[in-house]
Amino acid sequence: ETGVTQSPTHLIKTRGQQVTLRCSSQSGHNTVSWYQQALGQGPQFIFQYYREEENGRGNFPPRFSGLQFPNYSSELNVNALELDDSALYLCASSKDKGADSPLHFGNGTRLTVT
Amino acid sequence: GDSVTQMEGPVTLSEEAFLTINCTYTATGYPSLFWYVQYPGEGLQLLLKATKADDKGSNKGFEATYRKETTSFHLEKGSVQVSDSAVYFCALIFSGGYNKLIFGAGTRLAVHP
Repeated sequence: ETGVTQSPTHLIKTRGQQVTLRCSSQSGHNTVSWYQQALGQGPQFIFQYYREEENGRGNFPPRFSGLQFPNYSSELNVNALELDDSALYLCASSKDKGADSPLHFGNGTRLTVT
Repeated sequence: GDSVTQMEGPVTLSEEAFLTINCTYTATGYPSLFWYVQYPGEGLQLLLKATKADDKGSNKGFEATYRKETTSFHLEKGSVQVSDSAVYFCALIFSGGYNKLIFGAGTRLAVHP
């Protein structure tokens, strides 16, 4: 059983640029969630996608957007990058969208904005 | 709003010492509670969970009991190993529409031989 995989593992961007991060969900999972983990902090919920639709969003501005594809893989897009966007971005998949469905996390993408 | 507070780290212990990492929460309802562990360079792994008051979650020698009266979920282990060195996160979630975990800031544990 393949776990959650994220790409790339590391990325360096310049302020104002745009970035796309990718996530392949675990086999049999139809829900993907994205979290931002700043250095020394706990992860913060960005949004969740269930069967290709966003069904929950945290306190992040609209320049954070996402997609989920028919195979349930997902992308996180961030426009107009700011220095504070530097963080580890974690993707997690689950069998269903509810809170009773355990999350399986990938190893993350480390984004550095200079 | 809902939140989780953990004791600050780092926590430094010798091998075979007793571990306690404190976690308290603020919530408007009755959430499920979790401990996640993050090893260097890796994502989060679920360590244990408890879904209602007085439940005890346990895994790999770690335990935590859901205490509604003190809104706490402290993590304990009787004898730590070097391999337990990692960052530990306490988190909560509410049943309902979507899967949003609220995490504490994390506590780094360093175990020395």
